Amino acid sequence: KQEVTQIPAALSVPEGENLVLNCSFTDSAIYNLQWFRQDPGKGLTSLLLIQSSQREQTSGRLNASLDKSSGRSTLYIAASQPGDSATYLCAVNSGAGSYQLTFGKGTKLSVIP
Amino acid sequence: DGGITQSPKYLFRKEGQNVTLSCEQNLNHDAMYWYRQDPGQGLRLIYYSQIVNDFQKGDIAEGYSVSREKKESFPLTVTSAQKNPTAFYLCASRGGEQFFGPGTRLTVL
Repeated sequence: KQEVTQIPAALSVPEGENLVLNCSFTDSAIYNLQWFRQDPGKGLTSLLLIQSSQREQTSGRLNASLDKSSGRSTLYIAASQPGDSATYLCAVNSGAGSYQLTFGKGTKLSVIP
Repeated sequence: DGGITQSPKYLFRKEGQNVTLSCEQNLNHDAMYWYRQDPGQGLRLIYYSQIVNDFQKGDIAEGYSVSREKKESFPLTVTSAQKNPTAFYLCASRGGEQFFGPGTRLTVL
């Protein structure tokens, strides 16, 4: 059964710092991986989707990488801002047909002004 | 605007009552999903539907029921058989990736 782990569980950084969030998964036979952002009491906002054939995806200050063979993904946030404060969730899709996502527990990010 | 709506935002239930959570999407997506989120936990899949009039159990389906009579709608009923229903419930639909609604927070009094 696929398991997804996110480290660290919480992270606090000063504004302007670059940072990396980590995600690992136990079964490397994945179809894609999705990074989400969740603000307190809100739904999830999709940030980046990486297909299994891709190595990385970029959107603005965000860059996500995927190393399927080692079961790892990272989310890099450049020049962090207080508005980046949220919980970041990693989710892995291990089934092409049903597209069932397995989620990590998230990393809670606080960017201090 | 295209998107997913969930109602109500907050829901209170007395023990022994069934309650139904609404999920509607206008994204023309075939697939829809229900997840449950507990504090400090990842999302867990309750039910999903890949097409109208068809749905499958997820990892934690016991105590829940769904229907999919229309493409746009995927309501979730939390029955009295669900032992610990207090949680944040999220609905999603899928195009090339999954998109989520704003959630319903259910509290059992």
